Amino acid sequence: GAVVSQHPSWVICKSGTSVKIECRSLDFQATTMFWYRQFPKQSLMLMATSNEGSKATYEQGVEKDKFLINHASLTLSTLTVTSAHPEDSSFYICSASIRGPGDTQYFGPGTRLTVL
Amino acid sequence: QKEVEQNSGPLSVPEGAIASLNCTYSDRVSQSFFWYRQYSGKSPELIMSIYSNGDKEDGRFTAQLNKASQYVSLLIRDSQPSDSATYLCAVNPNDYKLSFGAGTTVTVRA
Repeated sequence: GAVVSQHPSWVICKSGTSVKIECRSLDFQATTMFWYRQFPKQSLMLMATSNEGSKATYEQGVEKDKFLINHASLTLSTLTVTSAHPEDSSFYICSASIRGPGDTQYFGPGTRLTVL
Repeated sequence: QKEVEQNSGPLSVPEGAIASLNCTYSDRVSQSFFWYRQYSGKSPELIMSIYSNGDKEDGRFTAQLNKASQYVSLLIRDSQPSDSATYLCAVNPNDYKLSFGAGTTVTVRA
Protein backbone atom coordinates (compact mmCIF):
# COMPACT_ATOMS: atom_id res chain seq x y z
CA GLY A 1 0.00 0.00 0.00
CA ALA A 2 0.83 3.75 -0.11
CA VAL A 3 2.30 3.79 -3.59
CA VAL A 4 3.19 7.05 -5.28
CA SER A 5 4.06 7.26 -8.96
CA GLN A 6 5.75 9.97 -10.97
CA HIS A 7 5.84 10.58 -14.65
CA PRO A 8 8.09 10.93 -16.50
CA SER A 9 10.97 9.21 -14.74
CA TRP A 10 13.45 11.24 -16.73
CA VAL A 11 13.25 14.08 -19.20
CA ILE A 12 15.72 15.99 -21.33
CA CYS A 13 14.66 19.34 -22.69
CA LYS A 14 16.10 22.42 -24.34
CA SER A 15 16.70 25.60 -22.43
CA GLY A 16 13.65 27.85 -22.43
CA THR A 17 11.05 25.11 -22.68
CA SER A 18 8.58 24.08 -20.00
CA VAL A 19 8.37 20.65 -18.45
CA LYS A 20 5.45 19.13 -16.56
CA ILE A 21 5.93 16.39 -13.99
CA GLU A 22 2.98 14.38 -12.65
CA CYS A 23 2.72 12.86 -9.21
CA ARG A 24 -0.04 10.39 -8.40
CA SER A 25 -1.01 8.51 -5.28
CA LEU A 26 -2.16 5.16 -6.62
CA ASP A 27 -3.87 3.46 -3.73
CA PHE A 28 -4.76 6.23 -1.33
CA GLN A 29 -6.08 9.75 -1.26
CA ALA A 30 -3.40 12.25 -0.39
CA THR A 31 -4.43 15.15 1.78
CA THR A 32 -1.12 16.83 1.15
CA MET A 33 1.55 16.47 -1.51
CA PHE A 34 5.08 17.78 -1.42
CA TRP A 35 7.67 18.59 -4.04
CA TYR A 36 11.38 18.23 -3.35
CA ARG A 37 14.50 18.86 -5.34
CA GLN A 38 17.77 17.08 -4.80
CA PHE A 39 21.12 17.94 -6.34
CA PRO A 40 23.87 15.30 -6.52
CA LYS A 41 25.24 14.33 -3.13
CA GLN A 42 23.04 16.86 -1.38
CA SER A 43 20.07 16.44 0.90
CA LEU A 44 16.42 16.82 0.00
CA MET A 45 15.24 20.37 -0.39
CA LEU A 46 11.54 21.00 0.07
CA MET A 47 10.21 23.25 -2.65
CA ALA A 48 6.52 23.47 -1.84
CA THR A 49 3.59 21.90 -0.08
CA SER A 50 0.20 21.60 -1.71
CA ASN A 51 -3.26 20.65 -0.59
CA GLU A 52 -6.00 19.61 -2.97
CA GLY A 53 -7.93 22.55 -4.32
CA SER A 54 -5.80 25.24 -2.76
CA LYS A 55 -2.71 27.18 -3.71
CA ALA A 56 0.66 25.67 -2.95
CA THR A 57 2.81 27.00 -0.16
CA TYR A 58 6.32 27.63 -1.42
CA GLU A 59 9.48 27.52 0.63
CA GLN A 60 11.59 30.61 0.92
CA GLY A 61 13.73 31.15 -2.15
CA VAL A 62 11.59 29.03 -4.48
CA GLU A 63 10.16 31.03 -7.37
CA LYS A 64 6.41 30.57 -7.58
CA ASP A 65 6.22 31.71 -11.18
CA LYS A 66 8.95 29.35 -12.26
CA PHE A 67 7.75 26.25 -10.47
CA LEU A 68 4.01 26.02 -10.97
CA ILE A 69 2.22 23.51 -8.80
CA ASN A 70 -1.32 22.34 -9.36
CA HIS A 71 -3.04 19.94 -6.99
CA ALA A 72 -6.15 19.14 -8.99
CA SER A 73 -7.41 16.17 -7.03
CA LEU A 74 -6.67 14.06 -3.98
CA THR A 75 -4.56 11.75 -6.14
CA LEU A 76 -2.80 14.07 -8.57
CA SER A 77 -0.37 16.94 -8.28
CA THR A 78 1.70 18.43 -11.08
CA LEU A 79 4.88 20.48 -11.08
CA THR A 80 5.63 22.56 -14.15
CA VAL A 81 9.11 23.97 -14.55
CA THR A 82 8.64 26.98 -16.78
CA SER A 83 11.34 28.34 -19.05
CA ALA A 84 13.78 25.75 -17.81
CA HIS A 85 17.48 26.52 -17.72
CA PRO A 86 20.50 24.27 -17.17
CA GLU A 87 20.64 25.24 -13.49
CA ASP A 88 17.18 23.68 -13.08
CA SER A 89 18.64 20.29 -13.92
CA SER A 90 18.04 18.17 -10.85
CA PHE A 91 16.22 15.21 -9.35
CA TYR A 92 12.64 16.20 -8.57
CA ILE A 93 10.79 14.02 -6.09
CA CYS A 94 7.21 14.23 -4.94
CA SER A 95 5.74 12.76 -1.80
CA ALA A 96 2.26 12.37 -0.43
CA SER A 97 0.73 12.01 2.99
CA ILE A 98 -2.64 10.63 3.94
CA ARG A 99 -3.54 12.57 7.02
CA GLY A 100 -1.77 15.85 6.48
CA PRO A 101 1.60 17.62 6.44
CA GLY A 102 2.97 16.10 9.61
CA ASP A 103 2.02 12.55 8.73
CA THR A 104 4.18 9.89 7.12
CA GLN A 105 5.31 10.91 3.67
CA TYR A 106 5.44 8.35 0.89
CA PHE A 107 7.82 9.24 -1.90
CA GLY A 108 7.47 8.81 -5.62
CA PRO A 109 10.38 7.37 -7.61
CA GLY A 110 11.55 10.80 -8.75
CA THR A 111 12.03 12.55 -12.08
CA ARG A 112 15.48 13.35 -13.35
CA LEU A 113 15.42 16.58 -15.35
CA THR A 114 18.27 17.56 -17.63
CA VAL A 115 18.09 20.92 -19.35
CA LEU A 116 20.46 21.38 -22.27
CA GLN B 1 21.44 25.04 15.11
CA LYS B 2 19.94 22.76 12.50
CA GLU B 3 16.51 21.34 13.23
CA VAL B 4 17.66 17.77 12.64
CA GLU B 5 21.24 16.61 12.91
CA GLN B 6 22.61 13.20 12.06
CA ASN B 7 25.97 11.71 12.88
CA SER B 8 28.35 12.44 10.08
CA GLY B 9 29.32 9.56 7.87
CA PRO B 10 30.22 7.68 6.06
CA LEU B 11 29.70 4.72 8.35
CA SER B 12 31.43 1.54 7.28
CA VAL B 13 30.51 -1.74 8.94
CA PRO B 14 31.37 -5.36 8.15
CA GLU B 15 28.67 -7.67 6.94
CA GLY B 16 26.76 -9.18 9.83
CA ALA B 17 27.59 -6.36 12.25
CA ILE B 18 25.25 -3.81 13.80
CA ALA B 19 25.08 -0.37 12.21
CA SER B 20 24.06 2.37 14.61
CA LEU B 21 22.69 5.65 13.31
CA ASN B 22 21.97 8.65 15.49
CA CYS B 23 19.76 11.68 15.10
CA THR B 24 19.07 14.65 17.34
CA TYR B 25 16.41 17.29 16.89
CA SER B 26 15.95 20.76 18.25
CA ASP B 27 12.20 21.23 18.57
CA ARG B 28 11.05 19.70 21.83
CA VAL B 29 7.39 19.54 20.77
CA SER B 30 8.11 17.17 17.88
CA GLN B 31 5.76 14.20 17.94
CA SER B 32 6.52 12.07 14.88
CA PHE B 33 9.83 10.60 13.82
CA PHE B 34 10.76 8.70 10.70
CA TRP B 35 13.68 6.87 9.17
CA TYR B 36 14.01 6.72 5.40
CA ARG B 37 16.52 4.84 3.28
CA GLN B 38 17.77 6.30 0.02
CA TYR B 39 19.82 4.32 -2.45
CA SER B 40 22.08 6.27 -4.76
CA GLY B 41 20.07 7.78 -7.60
CA LYS B 42 16.75 6.71 -6.09
CA SER B 43 14.09 8.38 -4.00
CA PRO B 44 13.70 7.82 -0.24
CA GLU B 45 11.71 4.88 1.02
CA LEU B 46 10.19 4.65 4.47
CA ILE B 47 11.82 2.19 6.85
CA MET B 48 10.13 3.02 10.13
CA SER B 49 8.07 5.55 11.98
CA ILE B 50 8.09 5.98 15.75
CA TYR B 51 5.94 8.14 17.95
CA SER B 52 6.45 6.96 21.54
CA ASN B 53 9.50 6.74 23.75
CA GLY B 54 11.24 3.41 23.70
CA ASP B 55 12.12 0.86 21.08
CA LYS B 56 10.27 -0.23 17.98
CA GLU B 57 11.45 -3.26 16.08
CA ASP B 58 10.73 -4.27 12.50
CA GLY B 59 12.75 -7.17 11.23
CA ARG B 60 16.43 -6.29 11.40
CA PHE B 61 15.67 -2.64 12.13
CA THR B 62 15.11 -1.11 15.56
CA ALA B 63 14.24 2.51 16.12
CA GLN B 64 14.78 4.06 19.52
CA LEU B 65 13.22 7.30 20.67
CA ASN B 66 14.04 9.40 23.72
CA LYS B 67 12.02 12.59 23.70
CA ALA B 68 13.58 13.91 26.91
CA SER B 69 17.00 13.78 25.27
CA GLN B 70 15.58 14.76 21.87
CA TYR B 71 17.24 11.79 20.33
CA VAL B 72 16.19 9.10 17.89
CA SER B 73 18.34 6.27 16.61
CA LEU B 74 18.21 3.41 14.15
CA LEU B 75 19.97 0.10 14.61
CA ILE B 76 20.47 -2.25 11.70
CA ARG B 77 21.26 -5.75 12.90
CA ASP B 78 23.02 -8.37 10.80
CA SER B 79 23.94 -5.72 8.24
CA GLN B 80 23.88 -6.84 4.64
CA PRO B 81 25.54 -5.29 1.57
CA SER B 82 22.03 -4.38 0.40
CA ASP B 83 21.76 -2.09 3.42
CA SER B 84 24.42 0.16 1.88
CA ALA B 85 22.56 3.44 1.38
CA THR B 86 22.00 6.87 2.85
CA TYR B 87 19.68 6.93 5.84
CA LEU B 88 17.58 10.02 6.45
CA CYS B 89 16.10 10.96 9.79
CA ALA B 90 12.93 13.04 9.57
CA VAL B 91 11.12 14.83 12.37
CA ASN B 92 7.76 16.51 12.51
CA PRO B 93 8.29 19.71 14.51
CA ASN B 94 4.82 20.98 13.64
CA ASP B 95 1.97 19.88 11.46
CA TYR B 96 3.27 21.75 8.48
CA LYS B 97 6.11 19.69 7.10
CA LEU B 98 8.83 17.22 8.00
CA SER B 99 12.36 18.35 8.72
CA PHE B 100 15.01 16.07 7.26
CA GLY B 101 18.54 15.53 8.40
CA ALA B 102 21.38 15.60 5.91
CA GLY B 103 21.62 11.82 6.02
CA THR B 104 24.23 9.27 7.03
CA THR B 105 25.77 7.10 4.35
CA VAL B 106 26.27 3.49 5.37
CA THR B 107 28.56 1.08 3.58
CA VAL B 108 28.41 -2.59 4.49
CA ARG B 109 31.64 -4.41 3.63
CA ALA B 110 31.23 -7.96 2.40
